[in-house]
Amino acid sequence: DTAVSQTPKYLVTQMGNDKSIKCEQNLGHDTMYWYKQDSKKFLKIMFSYNNKELIINETVPNRFSPKSPDKAHLNLHINSLELGDSAVYFCASSLVGTGEAFFGQGTRLTVV
Amino acid sequence: GESVGLHLPTLSVQEGDNSIINCAYSNSASDYFIWYKQESGKGPQFIIDIRSNMDKRQGQRVTVLLNKTVKHLSLQIAATQPGDSAVYFCAENMGGSQGNLIFGKGTKLSVKP
Repeated sequence: DTAVSQTPKYLVTQMGNDKSIKCEQNLGHDTMYWYKQDSKKFLKIMFSYNNKELIINETVPNRFSPKSPDKAHLNLHINSLELGDSAVYFCASSLVGTGEAFFGQGTRLTVV
Repeated sequence: GESVGLHLPTLSVQEGDNSIINCAYSNSASDYFIWYKQESGKGPQFIIDIRSNMDKRQGQRVTVLLNKTVKHLSLQIAATQPGDSAVYFCAENMGGSQGNLIFGKGTKLSVKP
């Protein structure tokens, strides 16, 4: 009965690989997000997306791309992984016009 | 740089005492603020929010105060319990159609039994 679910919870991969993290929400929200949390716990938005508009944080490398097959899903694809991509990635969702975002449990990505 | 920051990175309190976590923001156009709690290994969890047309809002054991004059936000937790131990983030909503949240750096609250 999880509201926002991400898979996998842990992901260990080698540099240069391409990987994806999946996110699904069953809240009926129309906007989804990806956040990155670094080792110092700092949370920074990467993308926000609804069916009309994708907003990309300009600091995010173009190796990262969100893909939304439908309103309830926003997957994160990462190409050519680098050591600095190691972090915890959180998916979130909200209703447009409201500020409260509901977060998933996070995916800890480790690039070796 | 980020527009939302916290005065104290760590806070240690005795069980039963009140806790106050502070936050400064720099964007006077922000109209909505949220406090999140993040326990170890979990995602941020909504605690309480406040709109810019208010200066105080109370929840269960928590109160958020907003001082727009000095761009300051605080979270007060009454009768702090061990289960309150977590990292607390303030976040501001920059507005717009997507409602993106800008998070502060976080304060780690430790509750001593």
